[in-house]
Amino acid sequence: GQQVMQIPQYQHVQEGEDFTTYCNSSTTLSNIQWYKQRPGGHPVFLIQLVKSGEVKKQKRLTFQFGEAKKNSSLHITATQTTDVGTYFCAATSGTYKYIFGTGTRLKVLA
Amino acid sequence: NAGVTQTPKFQVLKTGQSMTLQCAQDMNHEYMSWYRQDPGMGLRLIHYSVGAGITDQGEVPNGYNVSRSTTEDFPLRLLSAAPSQTSVYFCASRSRDRGQLVAFFGQGTRLTVV
Repeated sequence: GQQVMQIPQYQHVQEGEDFTTYCNSSTTLSNIQWYKQRPGGHPVFLIQLVKSGEVKKQKRLTFQFGEAKKNSSLHITATQTTDVGTYFCAATSGTYKYIFGTGTRLKVLA
Repeated sequence: NAGVTQTPKFQVLKTGQSMTLQCAQDMNHEYMSWYRQDPGMGLRLIHYSVGAGITDQGEVPNGYNVSRSTTEDFPLRLLSAAPSQTSVYFCASRSRDRGQLVAFFGQGTRLTVV
């Protein structure tokens, strides 16, 4: 079945440093979504990528979808303490069955 | 709109007990799903539904039943609770927004089975 691997599992950065999390699938994806979950909270939708090679930006966040549509990345420039949380990718191969990655927990040290 | 409402927020069960986790949404979303979240495991899909009367299994369906008699409600049933089902459970509904199936999550139910 479809599997989605996400690395790293944890990342500690100093405030102002950059951060990147990667998501890899064993199958070609129809689309991929990214979510953020604050400590003690629930996942919140950030963005969806659909096209091969697609790049989208939201302020300091840059999202990329690989050319083969099997991997994706989320990059945060100049992290802030408000970026703390766990970032998940969620992917589907074309059905309504969205599978989540294992998540990357980001801690930002002030 | 209340969004996605889950009840209860916390629950402690004894092994072998049964219970139903409730999930309701008032956004008229067709697609709903249940996930469980365990440390280091991310969110794992238990069951999902693409509309009233239609349900399907996710990654980890064993030990759980669902039904979808109305668009608004998608309850998750544990027939005989086991300690391995101790987890945080999230219900989500999805809406079509400019071609995107955006998920809206409930606040979660923290379940402990002793």
